[in-house]
Amino acid sequence: AQKITQTQPGMFVQEKEAVTLDCTYDTSDPSYGLFWYKQPSSGEMIFLIYQGSYDQQNATEGRYSLNFQKARKSANLVISASQLGDSAMYFCAMSSNDYKLSFGAGTTVTVRA
Amino acid sequence: NAGVMQNPRHLVRRRGQEARLRCSPMKGHSHVYWYRQLPEEGLKFMVYLQKENIIDESGMPKERFSAEFPKEGPSILRIQQVVRGDSAAYFCASSSTGTQYFGPGTRLLVL
Repeated sequence: AQKITQTQPGMFVQEKEAVTLDCTYDTSDPSYGLFWYKQPSSGEMIFLIYQGSYDQQNATEGRYSLNFQKARKSANLVISASQLGDSAMYFCAMSSNDYKLSFGAGTTVTVRA
Repeated sequence: NAGVMQNPRHLVRRRGQEARLRCSPMKGHSHVYWYRQLPEEGLKFMVYLQKENIIDESGMPKERFSAEFPKEGPSILRIQQVVRGDSAAYFCASSSTGTQYFGPGTRLLVL
């Protein structure tokens, strides 16, 4: 069974600062993928970044980077230079069979001006 | 823009009615997934389909819920005899391989 844990229900960050969102996972599968999605107040789910379990380097996509620590089973999302438009709910998700995504409970990020 | 399309975006039903939610995958994607999001929760997997085939429906409630992805046309999630507990956001995602891209969701409200 897969389990995703996001322990931070909500976070505040000052505009232009960086914020780290925690995500830990549990799986017995050797091959898996880790994803982060953003859900703004409008409700859609926006794909941000992907990390494969065999990837040697941490994934980066613009201001998003994934701090992947395989031994600790953590996949934290780092948002650099926060913008007001980053205020949203962020979900960590995992797939270990190429389809079924398991989601964490989410972290609400509020960016302050 | 050939993103995942869902309609309707909002659906209101009275208890006992049927709800039909439609999803058109991204162009070139042959895999469709349905997820449900209850208020203040993450998304929960319901079903995975390919054209004319249900691959995994392990997350679907045993009764009243069904899904299809016909050879032609959108994927349909059908909820019969809706109850208040069915009120949720229903998301469809599609993929070719790997990353799933989500539609905007259908917000179902059961009165």
